[in-house]
Amino acid sequence: KNQVEQSPQSLIILEGKNCTLQCNYTVSPFSNLRWYKQDTGRGPVSLTIMTFSENTKSNGRYTATLDADTKQSSLHITASQLSDSASYICVVSEKTGGFKTIFGAGTRLFVKA
Amino acid sequence: EAEVAQSPRYKITEKSQAVAFWCDPISGHATLYWYRQILGQGPELLVQFQDESVVDDSQLPKDRFSAERLKGVDSTLKIQPAELGDSAMYLCASSLNIAGQGHYEQYFGPGTRLTVT
Repeated sequence: KNQVEQSPQSLIILEGKNCTLQCNYTVSPFSNLRWYKQDTGRGPVSLTIMTFSENTKSNGRYTATLDADTKQSSLHITASQLSDSASYICVVSEKTGGFKTIFGAGTRLFVKA
Repeated sequence: EAEVAQSPRYKITEKSQAVAFWCDPISGHATLYWYRQILGQGPELLVQFQDESVVDDSQLPKDRFSAERLKGVDSTLKIQPAELGDSAMYLCASSLNIAGQGHYEQYFGPGTRLTVT
């Protein structure tokens, strides 16, 4: 069964610190992997998207990495800000006719002053 | 910047009542998705439309849930009768379905928070 597992489930860090969120998947055949940020009570917003051939993708203070061999991805947040407090969801798409997407449960990040 | 619109943003209803949610995707987006998100979990796909046709409704509880996209633009998701376990965030998303490309970037609306009492 295609699955997307994220860790940790939740994380608390101090403002200005860095952190890394993990995503492991078993989705096959693989099409692409996306990281979304979801603020409380809002819809998810895309941060990065990576295909099989891409190892890293940056979006401001957010850097995503992908190891397609080990089926692992990480999202690194640099110099965290209070506004980074949100859920971060890893989403992996199958390379089938409909490009079905599988969502992880998310990592809840709390940035404290 | 174009956005996915949803209404209402919040809905409180009693169990056994009917409830409906509306979604207007980004103009030109052929694919529309309805998701249910329980607090603390990732979104779960309920139904996916390609234009006006349903392409995946395998996770839609069809005894009480229905969805339509009659003209291939906006869409309505209905629950009748609502149950306590239906309390969740209902998210709508749309994507520009370009044949041959796997980058089906999905753009999400703000969601409808449903509380069933």
